[in-house]
Amino acid sequence: GQQLNQSPQSMFIQEGEDVSMNCTSSSIFNTWLWYKQDPGEGPVLLIALYKAGELTSNGRLTAQFGITRKDSFLNISASIPSDVGIYFCAGQTIGANNLFFGTGTRLTVIP
Amino acid sequence: GAGVSQSPSNKVTEKGKDVELRCDPISGHTALYWYRQSLGQGLEFLIYFQGNSAPDKSGLPSDRFSAERTGGSVSTLTIQRTQQEDSAVYLCASSPREGVTIYFGEGSWLTVV
Repeated sequence: GQQLNQSPQSMFIQEGEDVSMNCTSSSIFNTWLWYKQDPGEGPVLLIALYKAGELTSNGRLTAQFGITRKDSFLNISASIPSDVGIYFCAGQTIGANNLFFGTGTRLTVIP
Repeated sequence: GAGVSQSPSNKVTEKGKDVELRCDPISGHTALYWYRQSLGQGLEFLIYFQGNSAPDKSGLPSDRFSAERTGGSVSTLTIQRTQQEDSAVYLCASSPREGVTIYFGEGSWLTVV
């Protein structure tokens, strides 16, 4: 199946700092999604991107669908302690029913 | 229901026993997915249902794994003769139709001892 490389694997940042993580694929996707997973919970959708070049914001979160359709990034501005969790990118190819997930970025915010 | 509901939330079973995990998708969602997440790992696709049929079973790791969906709603994932490597969180997700955003349940945490 498609390989999704997500980086960094983990991040330790100070409260108030900005965060950036990205995801690259060996295949073209027509949809990119970013999820956050808190301990003991299922992943929760943060942002969905449906068009190459699209830049979408959701509060302090901003995500972009790369022009090549093989990458996406997620930025979090002015991090707060509740941003702690694991962030997953996910991609979907044209005509496919399945989402392929990255391996996750574990974010720790130090107050 | 308001969200995807999974049961049991936690299950500890002895090696060699069979287990059944249940998923109740969001009302009206025709597409249903099962994923597996091992400790500290990403999500591994297992199977996808559109209505009651499973057009994509490619992710099932072995013939000990099976899933069914009845009435276009509730789905059951069955693991026969469980092994320790089956220990993981089993996540169910649903979407209104193919190709649109999927929403996850909280998962069933399976521990095989």
